[in-house]
Amino acid sequence: DQQVKQNSPSLSVQEGRISILNCDYTNSMFDYFLWYKKYPAEGPTFLISISSIKDKNEDGRFTVFLNKSAKHLSLHIVPSQPGDSAVYFCAASGNQFYFGTGTSLTVIP
Amino acid sequence: KAGVTQTPRYLIKTRGQQVTLSCSPISGHRSVSWYQQTPGQGLQFLFEYFSETQRNKGNFPGRFSGRQFSNSRSEMNVSTLELGDSALYLCASSLGAGGPPREQFFGPGTRLTVL
Repeated sequence: DQQVKQNSPSLSVQEGRISILNCDYTNSMFDYFLWYKKYPAEGPTFLISISSIKDKNEDGRFTVFLNKSAKHLSLHIVPSQPGDSAVYFCAASGNQFYFGTGTSLTVIP
Repeated sequence: KAGVTQTPRYLIKTRGQQVTLSCSPISGHRSVSWYQQTPGQGLQFLFEYFSETQRNKGNFPGRFSGRQFSNSRSEMNVSTLELGDSALYLCASSLGAGGPPREQFFGPGTRLTVL
């Protein structure tokens, strides 16, 4: 029972353009959401988070949007850079972390 | 401050064997969580230990077990290995103070291959 879903396994974007990664969740009790970035042969690293009392959080080139009524969050990367190429996981916090299946982002130079 | 370390980094076992993986959390962190990552399944939560006690458990069979020591280091054991246990096993540490989890720091993982 996947409570956090990332329906796009992969995404390709031109360098300098916007990357939009999407995530849906099913449990309305989740109150905190995170995005992690993972390179091959490394563990995931924390990227950005958002509390359910907010609908937007920005950190440099990264912005996370939360739509509670739709149970949807998205990560925007602007402008995209080749070094952003990685697998991105969204996660929701309940009594534990629930992770999505990941989206592999490729930024084309 | 040193990050989360996991040993070994790579492991090859055969079906039916058992394996023990080790995780040393960031100094001062008292919570250790374990995840299994397989292609197409994302990170599946195995269990969390806090102050030597299992605080949460995911939906995995009893062949998967763990423990935590007084210095917060944790071990995960898988008995009677199956081919489907081949995966990247990730350990994450956090301060683990009261309330829902807010931030975790991951180790590089142990890549287990079962032949």
